[in-house]
Amino acid sequence: DVKVTQSSRYLVKRTGEKVFLECVQDMDHENMFWYRQDPGLGLRLIYFSYDVKMKEKGDIPEGYSVSREKKERFSLILESASTNQTSMYLCASSLGGTSNQPQHFGDGTRLSIL
Amino acid sequence: QKEVEQNSGPLSVPEGAIASLNCTYSDRVSQSFFWYRQYSGKSPELIMSIYSNGDKEDGRFTAQLNKASQYVSLLIRDSQPSDSATYLCAVNDQAGTALIFGKGTTLSVSS
Repeated sequence: DVKVTQSSRYLVKRTGEKVFLECVQDMDHENMFWYRQDPGLGLRLIYFSYDVKMKEKGDIPEGYSVSREKKERFSLILESASTNQTSMYLCASSLGGTSNQPQHFGDGTRLSIL
Repeated sequence: QKEVEQNSGPLSVPEGAIASLNCTYSDRVSQSFFWYRQYSGKSPELIMSIYSNGDKEDGRFTAQLNKASQYVSLLIRDSQPSDSATYLCAVNDQAGTALIFGKGTTLSVSS
């Protein structure tokens, strides 16, 4: 089974802090994704990566950056956390090549910015 | 703007009934379609994939795809209270890497 592991289930940070969310997958997937999910807004893509050191902006990249130094690890960085970044953050991965492959999600990180 | 539309619900069905969930998409070139189930407070879990027109069955679940009409549906037979969840429809985007998700339909199965 695919295993996508997010480093924290719950996280509380203060405004202005630099926040790191980590995601690791164990299935040698090329593609990795970061979403946030808010009530009534659904899943919104922040960034994705299709290869090591490669990244693409999603629909809402403002205020975020990402890092992919190794194939199995994809990090989301909130450069200066703000209260409107309080949300559920979901990491996903999929095989590369085509989008015929489904995405598999981690358990999510519920982030609160105070 | 590529879109995936779902009725937000809630869709309420009695235990043992058939639940029918529908999804329409705007991008004609989409080729891959997925249904995810998401329990409250949990992450989405893949339950069905479908790539060709017609029906695909897996246990109590049947996915139906009609590319000409640009809709995909999910039927749940013999619905159980444990099926109560939000169901997300996802479609590949034109570039082929990411998925476009609908906002989900909430299903409530009463015993």
